Amino acid sequence: DTGVSQNPRHKITKRGQNVTFRCDPISEHNRLYWYRQTLGQGPEFLTYFQNEAQLEKSRLLSDRFSAERPKGSFSTLEIQRTEQGDSAMYLCASSRVEPHNSPLHFGNGTRLTVT
Amino acid sequence: AQSVTQPDIHITVSEGASLELRCNYSYGATPYLFWYVQSPGQGLQLLLKYFSGDTLVQGIKGFEAEFKRSQSSFNLRKPSVHWSDAAEYFCAVAPPGGGNKLTFGTGTQLKVEL
Repeated sequence: DTGVSQNPRHKITKRGQNVTFRCDPISEHNRLYWYRQTLGQGPEFLTYFQNEAQLEKSRLLSDRFSAERPKGSFSTLEIQRTEQGDSAMYLCASSRVEPHNSPLHFGNGTRLTVT
Repeated sequence: AQSVTQPDIHITVSEGASLELRCNYSYGATPYLFWYVQSPGQGLQLLLKYFSGDTLVQGIKGFEAEFKRSQSSFNLRKPSVHWSDAAEYFCAVAPPGGGNKLTFGTGTQLKVEL
């Protein structure tokens, strides 16, 4: 169990640029989640995958956000035309499907700063 | 819609003192309940969870939490705090059987004085 890995750890970008983050879940975990955490707030659910299928998206996930998990392993989260309000910590987590109460394992996050 | 309230933004305790962090939730039924801890630069670590059954649950690092249905609360406790417990603590809820789509509170920052 090598844990959930997220890259990069930090990303600074100018407003209007596109950014992409990567998440490598724990290898035997079928479910993968993306959360966003802004300063002084708890994490907010964005989306989740079961294998390669994206099963749910939050209304927080605007059209500028897209997430993929093409082979049911790693996932990418892309933000197009970044805005200053996108500055946040983006957290990835994974879990097994069964048992249904299998706990989430979080990565250390990618901190995005939009200038 | 479900929500979680952690009324204390900051708490300071002396090392060796007892600790209680408050959490109240709003949900139509009894949700799944969780406490996570986040240290600076680290991801969230699960301390404990409640799904059903015994309302007093034990977790890692000597933490426990008690579910009180009548008060819609799930407070976290530790009898004797260690300096290494300084971190941010998040309470979270999820729909029963709803996987891990968690709704988090805003967190309580714990400072431990030596």
